[in-house]
Amino acid sequence: AQSVTQLDSQVPVFEEAPVELRCNYSSSVSVYLFWYVQYPNQGLQLLLKYLSGSTLVKGINGFEAEFNKSQTSFHLRKPSVHISDTAEYFCAVSEGPGGAQKLVFGQGTRLTINP
Amino acid sequence: SQTIHQWPATLVQPVGSPLSLECTVEGTSNPNLYWYRQAAGRGLQLLFYSVGIGQISSEVPQNLSASRPQDRQFILSSKKLLLSDSGFYLCAWSVHGVVRETQYFGPGTRLLVL
Repeated sequence: AQSVTQLDSQVPVFEEAPVELRCNYSSSVSVYLFWYVQYPNQGLQLLLKYLSGSTLVKGINGFEAEFNKSQTSFHLRKPSVHISDTAEYFCAVSEGPGGAQKLVFGQGTRLTINP
Repeated sequence: SQTIHQWPATLVQPVGSPLSLECTVEGTSNPNLYWYRQAAGRGLQLLFYSVGIGQISSEVPQNLSASRPQDRQFILSSKKLLLSDSGFYLCAWSVHGVVRETQYFGPGTRLLVL
């Protein structure tokens, strides 16, 4: 079974500093990877996804992630964060054949931006 | 464009009472539908998914059930709530028949069982 590990439960960062949120996955087959963001008391919004092709994926709000097959990682980065980036971030991997895609989520990383 | 609705937004229920959470999707037909639960301080756990009307797959054995009476309606139910059922319940949809398609999430229902 596939699994996702987000190595940091909380990441505090100063405004305008760079940030990296780490995600590692385990899988024996080809994977499809996603990053979602959850603002307080809201649902999840897709930031970016890797399905195939270029290993560097660009998403919304200035975020990007790099798929590294040899290290089984899909770390999320942003060169300069803003207060509005304060949220919880979830990495997810897609598993399962058939008509429905089942997502396996990591435990989440709470990103706090300090002024 | 497609939109997904969930209600109620917040619910406080006593232990042993029944539960019904509703999710509807607009702007698409024959979607795949999903129910997730997010317990406090934890990640998301897939509870149920459905690839069509009346077709429900359960991922986690528990006292919850799901039904899909209409193409774009997905209901999460319980006959008797437990304290452990407290959490944030999220409904999601994806395009049917497209492998690895993105899932789009609703605003969620926060359930507190006392």
